[in-house]
Order: sequence, then structure tokens, then C-alpha cells
Amino acid sequence: EAGVTQFPSHSVIEKGQTVTLRCDPISGHDNLYWYRRVMGKEIKFLLHFVKESKQDESGMPNNRFLAERTGGTYSTLKVQPAELEDSGVYFCASRTSGSTDTQYFGPGTRLTVL
Amino acid sequence: GQQVMQIPQYQHVQEGEDFTTYCNSSTTLSNIQWYKQRPGGHPVFLIQLVKSGEVKKQKRLTFQFGEAKKNSSLHITATQTTDVGTYFCAGRGNDYKLSFGAGTTVTVRA
Repeated sequence: EAGVTQFPSHSVIEKGQTVTLRCDPISGHDNLYWYRRVMGKEIKFLLHFVKESKQDESGMPNNRFLAERTGGTYSTLKVQPAELEDSGVYFCASRTSGSTDTQYFGPGTRLTVL
Repeated sequence: GQQVMQIPQYQHVQEGEDFTTYCNSSTTLSNIQWYKQRPGGHPVFLIQLVKSGEVKKQKRLTFQFGEAKKNSSLHITATQTTDVGTYFCAGRGNDYKLSFGAGTTVTVRA
């Protein structure tokens, strides 16, 4: 079974530019999460999709961040325009529906905004 | 909102020694999970604790969930170089959202 995949693995952009991160969850996982970890800090929740619907987006920092999951499969997270404080590692995780809470994390995208 | 504090932030351990990392939540948790992230890797699920006072073991790792379901600990005995990495606790409240601690980064002196 393939794990969660994320693309790109690294992205270096300048302040004001746009970046789109992609996450492909484990096949059949309805639940998809985005997290961000800034250097040395906690892994912070951004939002949660159930299929194509946003279940909880309370962690999204501001309206420069837009997440989509059209068709309920892969998800994208767009940052536009990027700011310096957006730098960090963005993790995607997926989970099946039902009683299990186990989330499977992708390798992350390391975003550097210069 | 729910906050999870984790200490220590860094743990330097002599190979063969034991250590413990602690996790405390500002609110009562439905369950708590532990993840390990190897250097350059991504968080990998280790275990989940659900019941008050629950204790689970995985070889040299012992996980505990407090009676009040607001704190947890991970104790590693006879530390090995393979234990290097960052250990995160993550508490789940009344929904499926996990609140992660800042992690304990473990280095091992051979």
C-alpha cells in the first residue's frame, strides 16, 4: 500500500510569490489533514477535510492560505502571496473513517520564503 | 483552545541510559498519541492511549496516560542510537483534531 505522498519536497520562493503544495493521501482515506511545523515549534493543525468538504479550517492562519480537495482525492494548499513567516515544513496526513484515530503522515514539503 | 505542552525540548542521553519525556494538556483528552520523527523524516505513529491510567509497552518504550487524562509520558530504557529523533505527543479533544506538543528531540552519545 502506497503511503501519503507530497509534492514538492522542497520549495524556495521569494516573498510575494505564490506556491502550491500537493498531497496525495493513502487510497481510500476520506480524512485528510494539513499541518505546519515552524522550526523548533509544535506541529500545528491547519485544516481537516472529510472527502471534499472542509470539516475544520480553524487552524488556517489567514486568507492567504487556500486549501482544496476537489473530488475528495488529492488536496492542494496554495499560499498567495507568501510571506516570510510562512516558512516551515507542511505536512499532510490521512486517516480512514471509523473508530481508528491513527493518522499517516506524508514526508512533508519544506517551504522557504526569502 | 486546547494546548499541549511537552518537556524537555531536548534530551541528550548516554547510550544505555534511560530517559522520560512528559506531555501535559490544558484540557481533558479523549486519547493521546505518540509519534516519532527521525532526522529528515516525517512523524510516524507509535501508539495511542485511550483509557485513564493506561500503560502500554513496546519493547524498551513504556507509554502512560494519566488518571485525569490530561498528561502522558514516554519512558525509554537502555537508550540505543536507533532511538535518535523527535518524539511528539498529540492529544485529541472532542473532535478528531490533534494538538501536538513541540516535541522532545533526542540525541544519543555513544
